[in-house]
This record gives sequence, structure tokens and C-alpha cells, in this order.
Amino acid sequence: DAGVTQSPTHLIKTRGQQVTLRCSPKSGHDTVSWYQQALGQGPQFIFQYYEEEERQRGNFPDRFSGHQFPNYSSELNVNALLLGDSALYLCASSRTGPNYGYTFGSGTRLTVV
Amino acid sequence: ELKVEQNPLFLSMQEGKNYTIYCNYSTTSDRLYWYRQDPGKSLESLFVLLSNGAVKQEGRLMASLDTKARLSTLHITAAVHDLSATYFCAVVSNFGNEKLTFGTGTRLTIIP
Repeated sequence: DAGVTQSPTHLIKTRGQQVTLRCSPKSGHDTVSWYQQALGQGPQFIFQYYEEEERQRGNFPDRFSGHQFPNYSSELNVNALLLGDSALYLCASSRTGPNYGYTFGSGTRLTVV
Repeated sequence: ELKVEQNPLFLSMQEGKNYTIYCNYSTTSDRLYWYRQDPGKSLESLFVLLSNGAVKQEGRLMASLDTKARLSTLHITAAVHDLSATYFCAVVSNFGNEKLTFGTGTRLTIIP
């Protein structure tokens, strides 16, 4: 049973560029959440997608946007990259209903130079 | 706004010793998670605590939840080197949302 798959694993971008990160949820999961983890800090919630809609959003600017596809996979887009966007981006999938487990992917390490 | 605090932030302990990591949170919740993270890696789920008084144990780790005190503990018994990692607690508030709010993390180093 495949877990959560994220791609790419590493990425280097220049300030001002745009980036797209991808996530395939665990089989049977229909909800995808994205987190940003800066070095030495705990993950911060960016947003969550369910039924192809953004259900909840954290304190991140509009430069951060996302999408969920009918197969439950998801993308995170970041526009106008800043040096401070350098972080590990984690995708977590879960299943709605009385199931309280979150499965995290291995993450995408984004470096903005 | 839900705040989650862990202490200590850094913990260096000798093999064979016992210690406890504390996780306090600021609003009502009955769902608390503990994760382990190795350097450069993702989060590994350790425990899910769903009710007041919940206690779960796996190997040398035991987690408990006191929702009235808004406190969870992660107890390490007879530490071994391979427990060295950063440990995070994360809380879901009771107000209809599903986002995890993470603590600051505790970096645990086990010294032989």
C-alpha cells in the first residue's frame, strides 16, 4: 500500500520565480493538507483540500495557492518566490470521517537563491 | 488562536536514563498527536491520543493526555541511541477544523 508520494524531492529556484509541488495521497485518503517547515521549526499549516476545494487556510499570503484533482492528488503553487520561502514542504493525507490519522509524505526541500 | 508549547526544546540524556517531554496547548482539544522526525526526513507518526486519560505505549515510549490540564507527556524509558531525533506534538482544536498545530519540537540526543 503506497503511502504519500511527493515530488520533486529537492528543488532550487531563483527569487521571483514560480514553483509547483506535487502530492499523491495514501490510497483511500481523500483529504490533502500542506505544511511548510522552516529549518529548526515545527511545520506550519498552509491549507487543506477536500473534494477539490480549499477547505481551510493558514496564515500564508495569496502567493501560495493549491489545487486538488479528481483523483485526490494535489499541487501547491508558490508565486514570486522569496528567500524566506526556503523550507521543507510536507504533504499530509487523511480520510474524512471518524479516522484521525494523518500520513505525511517525505517532503520537498525548496531552496530559493 | 491555538498555541502549542513543548519543553524542553533541547534534551541531552544518557543511555539508560528516563525522561519526559511536555506538551501544553492553549484551547480545548481532544486530539493530540506525537511525531518523530529524523534530520532531513519527514514526520513519523508515533501516537494518536483521542480522549482524556488516554495512555499509549510503544517500546520505550509512552504518551499520555490530560485534556483538563491541556497537557500531554511523552515519557522515555531506559533511553537508547536510536531514539535520538526531534519529537513534535501536534493538536487539532475542537472548533470544526482539521489542521494540525505543531509544537516547537524537542531535539533529543541520547549519549552513550
